[in-house]
Order: sequence, then C-alpha cells, then structure tokens
Amino acid sequence: DQQVKQNSPSLSVQEGRISILNCDYTNSMFDYFLWYKKYPAEGPTFLISISSIKDKNEDGRFTVFLNKSAKHLSLHIVPSQPGDSAVYFCAASGRAGGTSYGKLTFGQGTILTVHP
Amino acid sequence: DVKVTQSSRYLVKRTGEKVFLECVQDMDHENMFWYRQDPGLGLRLIYFSYDVKMKEKGDIPEGYSVSREKKERFSLILESASTNQTSMYLCASSLPHAGGQFFGPGTRLTVL
Repeated sequence: DQQVKQNSPSLSVQEGRISILNCDYTNSMFDYFLWYKKYPAEGPTFLISISSIKDKNEDGRFTVFLNKSAKHLSLHIVPSQPGDSAVYFCAASGRAGGTSYGKLTFGQGTILTVHP
Repeated sequence: DVKVTQSSRYLVKRTGEKVFLECVQDMDHENMFWYRQDPGLGLRLIYFSYDVKMKEKGDIPEGYSVSREKKERFSLILESASTNQTSMYLCASSLPHAGGQFFGPGTRLTVL
C-alpha cells in the first residue's frame, strides 16, 4: 500500500521555465511533508518542508504548496536551472497512534530534467 | 561539517555471502535508518533504531538484520545475500521526532 505517491516518473522542462512536481498521500495522520533532491551516486539532500498548519512555504526558487483537503502537495521551482536536474522525492511523517521516531514515508521519485 | 558516512560506495558480493554495511554519523542523533532505493519504488525503509541496542522493523525487513552497539554507528547485515538484494542502500540519521533526516552517500551493492 503506497501511502505517498508521485505519479509522474519523469518531467522535462526548459531552462528558465517553471517546474512543478506533484505528490499525493493517503494517510490523514501525516502532518509534516518534505522534499528531497538526489543526484546520481549521492544520498538525498533535504530541500524544503511544510507543516500541515501551513499551505505554502517558500525558500528562494523553491515553493511547496499543501492542499490538505485533496491530500496533495506540489513543489514549484522557478526559474528552473540545468543544475536542478535530479530525482526529487516527496516524503511524509506523522504521529499515527504514537511516536513516529522521525520515520518518513517516501514517494517513488520524479526524475526532473532541465534542458539548457 | 556534519555528516553521515557509509563504509563503501560500491560493493560486489556473491550469492550466499554474509554482507555488512556500516554507517556512522557525527551529529549525536538518536535515530538512524536503513533504506534501499530501487527504480520506480523510491526509498523503502528496511530497519530503524531510536536508541543504542534498540531496533524496529521497517517496511521490508526480510533478509536483513541490524546492529546498533554505539550511538554513532548503525550496521545493516545481509545474512545470506541474494540477487534480489542488489540495490542502492542508504543510511540516514535524525533527532527524535524530527521530520528531517540526513543521508549518507549510499552503497551500491551488487550480488552476483
């Protein structure tokens, strides 16, 4: 049972345009959401996060939007740069009936390619 | 510069071998995690530990075991490696109940 889903395996965008990566979740106990970026042969690195008490969080070129009623979050990158080409994972955590120990549930990942 | 290190970047083993993957973090984090990453499946949690000598099964623990004798070190053990355990293995650490995890560079394990 995939509780966090990224339905687009890949996304291709022109440099300077907006990249929008989407993520859906099914567990209503999730209350904290994160995006990670991963280059080949490297570990994932934290990009941006959002708590369920917010609907938007912005950090430079990166903005994450959360729609709790739709159980949907998205990551906007604008303007996109070739160096943004990587795999992007969304992840969620929550206290489902007790302590979560910081556990994260990850989506399948979306490969973003930004063309010069 | 805080970091999570993994003992090997690339490893090739034969079916039936016992394999040890080591992970060390220098951030004094209580929580440590082992994931495997496979194309189209994302990161799947194998085991995690929230304290020394404490461990909990993740989503796919079959065929794996773990050891945490010291706070900074978390080991993943493949008792008898099989070809379906060929994968990228990622270690991570975090503070208690914290949402963010810090990842190591990963170990690409190939089982022949």
